Amino acid sequence: EPEVTQTPSHQVTQMGQEVILRCVPISNHLYFYWYRQILGQKVEFLVSFYNNEISEKSEIFDDQFSVERPDGSNFTLKIRSTKLEDSAMYFCASTPGFGTANTEAFFGQGTRLTVV
Amino acid sequence: QQQVKQSPQSLIVQKGGISIINCAYENTAFDYFPWYQQFPGKGPALLIAIRPDVSEKKEGRFTISFNKSAKQFSLHIMDSQPGDSATYFCAAEIFNSGYALNFGKGTSLLVTP
Repeated sequence: EPEVTQTPSHQVTQMGQEVILRCVPISNHLYFYWYRQILGQKVEFLVSFYNNEISEKSEIFDDQFSVERPDGSNFTLKIRSTKLEDSAMYFCASTPGFGTANTEAFFGQGTRLTVV
Repeated sequence: QQQVKQSPQSLIVQKGGISIINCAYENTAFDYFPWYQQFPGKGPALLIAIRPDVSEKKEGRFTISFNKSAKQFSLHIMDSQPGDSATYFCAAEIFNSGYALNFGKGTSLLVTP
């Protein structure tokens, strides 16, 4: 069964450092997303990406965040200068996109980011 | 602004009982309402979803009830099992638009043997 894969599973970084979280969405999906979940809290939308550009972003997704699809398979989230409050589980997700009956979002296993 | 409100925050049900989780939404543009199940250390996984053209959808032991006029929907888990113990999130979205899922705060369900 196709799945969304994320690497690394756990990343520890020092405050102020840059991190890149990586995702491989399901191959025929067209929309890609990043969500985050602070421990014990709800899943929060960060950004959606379609046709090589951001289609929507939340107020959480400020200038320190960026996304990129550097090749045909990877989808990355970069945090330029990490802060303690960026510590969370980051989930990548993908959906088939327009014209399909199934709009199910498939989530990866997540990357636990710990900023120290 | 919390677009999707979910209750209760936690729920304990005996094996064989019925688990009921409720959600309410504000944005009338939402027209797709999925429920996600999340086990510890895993990503959310779609459990069941409904669109507002029907008032109920059933898949096995899981049923969504939808009340469009009240802008509420609920998840019923019949014959709850210990393996159902997980966190459940309701969500709302504008269907097939590529828009973001708006999640509720989650309900931690514990089914006791």
